[in-house]
Amino acid sequence: KNQVEQSPQSLIILEGKNCTLQCNYTVSPFSNLRWYKQDTGRGPVSLTIMTFSENTKSNGRYTATLDADTKQSSLHITASQLSDSASYICVVSAYSNYQLIWGAGTKLIIKP
Amino acid sequence: DTAVSQTPKYLVTQMGNDKSIKCEQNLGHDTMYWYKQDSKKFLKIMFSYNNKELIINETVPNRFSPKSPDKAHLNLHINSLELGDSAVYFCASSDDGDFAYEQYFGPGTRLTVT
Repeated sequence: KNQVEQSPQSLIILEGKNCTLQCNYTVSPFSNLRWYKQDTGRGPVSLTIMTFSENTKSNGRYTATLDADTKQSSLHITASQLSDSASYICVVSAYSNYQLIWGAGTKLIIKP
Repeated sequence: DTAVSQTPKYLVTQMGNDKSIKCEQNLGHDTMYWYKQDSKKFLKIMFSYNNKELIINETVPNRFSPKSPDKAHLNLHINSLELGDSAVYFCASSDDGDFAYEQYFGPGTRLTVT
């Protein structure tokens, strides 16, 4: 069964600190992996999209990594800011049926 | 300018009623989608639609129906609302139906069925 699991479920860090969020998936055949940021009360906004051949991609202070062999991805946030408080969702696309499989997200809270 | 917009933002209604949620995108995209986000925060695709093809998630009850008057609009009609329909519904659009393309999401409509 195609699944995406994220950890931790929630995370609280101090402003200025770094953090790493994890995503494990069992989606096959793999097409691409995305990280979205969802602010409370808003729709998800894409941060990165990675295909099978890409193992790292950055978007400002956000850096995503992908290990297609172990089916793991991480999202690293550098020098966190209060505006980074949001849910971060890992989404994996399967080739076979154009399906997007969504993780439940990690709720990140940045404290001053 | 808002890229993907939805109305209303909040919708409270009683069981058994019929309601609609409207979605508009001004990105010139060919494909639009409806998602349901449940209380556990999972987003589940309900429909994807372009002017050629409607793809329905087979788990979606037939009480839900998308209606597209033109390429920029995809409305969601829900008949005979049930308590379990309470959720946040997101509209999205992309350049193509191929899931390799980025999807742009609207702000969501929180539906509460009492």
